[in-house]
Amino acid sequence: EAGVAQSPRYKIIEKRQSVAFWCNPISGHATLYWYQQILGQGPKLLIQFQNNGVVDDSQLPKDRFSAERLKGVDSTLKIQPAKLEDSAVYLCASSLKFNTGELFFGEGSRLTVL
Amino acid sequence: SQQGEEDPQALSIQEGENATMNCSYKTSINNLQWYRQNSGRGLVHLILIRSNEREKHSGRLRVTLDTSKKSSSLLITASRAADTASYFCATAGGGSEKLVFGKGTKLTVNP
Repeated sequence: EAGVAQSPRYKIIEKRQSVAFWCNPISGHATLYWYQQILGQGPKLLIQFQNNGVVDDSQLPKDRFSAERLKGVDSTLKIQPAKLEDSAVYLCASSLKFNTGELFFGEGSRLTVL
Repeated sequence: SQQGEEDPQALSIQEGENATMNCSYKTSINNLQWYRQNSGRGLVHLILIRSNEREKHSGRLRVTLDTSKKSSSLLITASRAADTASYFCATAGGGSEKLVFGKGTKLTVNP
């Protein structure tokens, strides 16, 4: 079974530029999550989708971050414009059902904002 | 804000020794999960314990949960160099359905 796929793995941009990250969850997984992990900290949930609807985006900085999950499968997370403090690893995860336990994570996309 | 708080922040042991990590949380939970993260990689689920369970085993892993103290512990027995990683507890519940992670314990197992 293929795991959660993310791209790109690494991205370096200058502040005020834009960036987009892509995630393809495990086939059949209804719930998709984007987490932000700053160096030395635990992952922080940015947004949670159930199929193509948003369940929780309370910690998403909506003035600069946006995310979509078209057709309830792939998802894209965009940052525009980026700030220095956005430097982090962006982790995508999926789970079979909503709120039923194990999350499967991708390898993450490491963003460096200069 | 993050729910779980792991202790210690870092732990260094010799191969063959046992490693114990603790997690404390603040509100009521439905379940508590432990994840492992190798350097530069994604998180891998280790074990889930529900609020009505007190202890769970999986291979060399033993997890306990004390809801009266709002705490959990993860014990890794007979550690190996390959166990070197960061370990995170994550809680679900307390009125919110999202999974909230702690800051993690960085475990180093020296060969």
